[in-house]
Amino acid sequence: EPEVTQTPSHQVTQMGQEVILRCVPISNHLYFYWYRQILGQKVEFLVSFYNNEISEKSEIFDDQFSVERPDGSNFTLKIRSTKLEDSAMYFCAIDGTESSGNTIYFGEGSWLTVV
Amino acid sequence: AQTVTQSQPEMSVQEAETVTLSCTYDTSESDYYLFWYKQPPSRQMILVIRQEAYKQQNATENRFSVNFQKAAKSFSLKISDSQLGDAAMYFCALDMRFGAGTRLTVKP
Repeated sequence: EPEVTQTPSHQVTQMGQEVILRCVPISNHLYFYWYRQILGQKVEFLVSFYNNEISEKSEIFDDQFSVERPDGSNFTLKIRSTKLEDSAMYFCAIDGTESSGNTIYFGEGSWLTVV
Repeated sequence: AQTVTQSQPEMSVQEAETVTLSCTYDTSESDYYLFWYKQPPSRQMILVIRQEAYKQQNATENRFSVNFQKAAKSFSLKISDSQLGDAAMYFCALDMRFGAGTRLTVKP
């Protein structure tokens, strides 16, 4: 099973500050995803990223958010001008291979608290 | 648009008994993947089982099995011989979209 490391595991930030969440897959993958889960609520799809481009994004993923893969390995989610309601667990996920049924494998999450 | 509906916010089962979690979905695609994920209190998302839509045979994974009804767009999860460690939130997913989850409690 592919492994995904996310940093930081927990971050507390002041409202209005910018936050960068990082995702590092153990091996090369083409598809990356970011999901958000507000405490006690459903897992919400934010964006998918394929071949260094956004392939799909949800209505949640507005101009406040951006993603990039600056060095061909790390995959980052940037949240500009954070708001209280951005407090959530953010999951990075990667695709498996065809043999694994295109399964999405999740990292352990980055818990963001905006105060 | 793809949607996933889990109509059971909470379910409870006695240890060693069997429980079925429901999931319905909607999609215009003919080829897709369906998944069940488990989220224990640690909040990590753990894959339980997956099903490819073009395969009619229901997927099984040890004590976990699914009842996939493509025409009805239904994808239920059956957990046999429930164990205390099965207690968690269970999410049904269609490709990248997740349902609202079902919280499963296992009673000793």
